[in-house]
Amino acid sequence: EVQLVESGGDLVKPGGSLRLSCVASGFTFSIAWPGWVRQTPGKGLEWVGRIQRKSDGGAADYAAPVKGRFTISRDDSKNTVYLQMDSLRTEDTAVYYCTTEDWYKLNYWGRGTLVTVSS
Amino acid sequence: QSALTQPPSASGSPGQSVTISCTGTSSDVGGYNYVSWYQHHPGKAPKLMIYDVSKRPSGVPDRFSGSKSGNTASLTVSGLQAEDEADYYCSSYAGSDNYVFGTGTKVTVL
Repeated sequence: EVQLVESGGDLVKPGGSLRLSCVASGFTFSIAWPGWVRQTPGKGLEWVGRIQRKSDGGAADYAAPVKGRFTISRDDSKNTVYLQMDSLRTEDTAVYYCTTEDWYKLNYWGRGTLVTVSS
Repeated sequence: QSALTQPPSASGSPGQSVTISCTGTSSDVGGYNYVSWYQHHPGKAPKLMIYDVSKRPSGVPDRFSGSKSGNTASLTVSGLQAEDEADYYCSSYAGSDNYVFGTGTKVTVL
């Protein structure tokens, strides 16, 4: 059974940093393209970004609102993808979901972890 | 990038059908056959229901179907069941390694 389990969500002040983790199981993580989607309070879903598998180059792509502030990385030895979030803003408050991308679809999702940015 | 437009809510009685629209632009929905639909029961992991406009992943009932015309995609749930009550989101590839989601539709089974 495929599982994606996020952790690391917390309350952080504006301008602060936070790192989310997502541990995957039930599939071969090293060939996956894991990523992140967020859901802001009372609003819909927003794609955050994803990282290619190493054999495809390992590059990460980001949505415009987070580019330059967020960094996605992976550790295939730990079946884990990370989301490093810097220079956090109040509008980054959201539930962050870990996902896997497979040919233009997000085929698996985690249950999410809550990030609150507030003073 | 603007979110795709969905109706906030839709409803139907058990056994009936409900159709949800998802309107974008020629830069997303109209430009690619990479529209997906996700079912989300709050507190649970979202689930892929439809991909590539009209394909169903293994395990998704054939009561769920998808289509597209121009810049608008649609999800139809036939033979509504109580467990279909959830939030539904469309998504489209938008080029340049980017994706856009819909505003979401809450489906209520009356």
